[in-house]
Amino acid sequence: EAGVAQSPRYKIIEKRQSVAFWCNPISGHATLYWYQQILGQGPKLLIQFQNNGVVDDSQLPKDRFSAERLKGVDSTLKIQPAKLEDSAVYLCASSSFRTQETQYFGPGTRLLVL
Amino acid sequence: SQQGEEDPQALSIQEGENATMNCSYKTSINNLQWYRQNSGRGLVHLILIRSNEREKHSGRLRVTLDTSKKSSSLLITASRAADTASYFCATGETSGSRLTFGEGTQLTVNP
Repeated sequence: EAGVAQSPRYKIIEKRQSVAFWCNPISGHATLYWYQQILGQGPKLLIQFQNNGVVDDSQLPKDRFSAERLKGVDSTLKIQPAKLEDSAVYLCASSSFRTQETQYFGPGTRLLVL
Repeated sequence: SQQGEEDPQALSIQEGENATMNCSYKTSINNLQWYRQNSGRGLVHLILIRSNEREKHSGRLRVTLDTSKKSSSLLITASRAADTASYFCATGETSGSRLTFGEGTQLTVNP
């Protein structure tokens, strides 16, 4: 089966600009996660969707970050406006209802904010 | 906040040697998982151990869990150069909940 797809793979923007990332989870996976991974650290969960509803967004900086998952499949994560400290890799993961503890990760989008 | 603390932060060994990485956590958990991340790539799930299990094996991997000490260890036997990667432990407080990752151990296996 195809894995989790993300695009773009790399993005360079200037501070105060906006940026959007896209994720297509594994077919049939109801749960989708967005993580932020700063260089040298482990991933930190930003938001978790179950189908198209938000389960956990407690660590999402809602003043600048937003995410949606229309129709319970693809998802987009947006940052507006970006700050220097948003430079990180943004990872998308998905899991199925049957094996929900195991998460399958995409390759990530590497963001550099100048 | 990061729940797991991993030890060591970096480990360098020769091919054929065993590698042991440790993870400690703070709260009660439902499960603990180990993931591998090659440079510039996403994370790959290696193994999951539930809170009522003490040891689990998968190929060259052996994971132990001590819930009384809130710690886990990952042993990779007969290491290969291809095992060079960062290894992260992640805890799940309930089934299907978010995973909280540690800071990771950078393993280098020299040929």
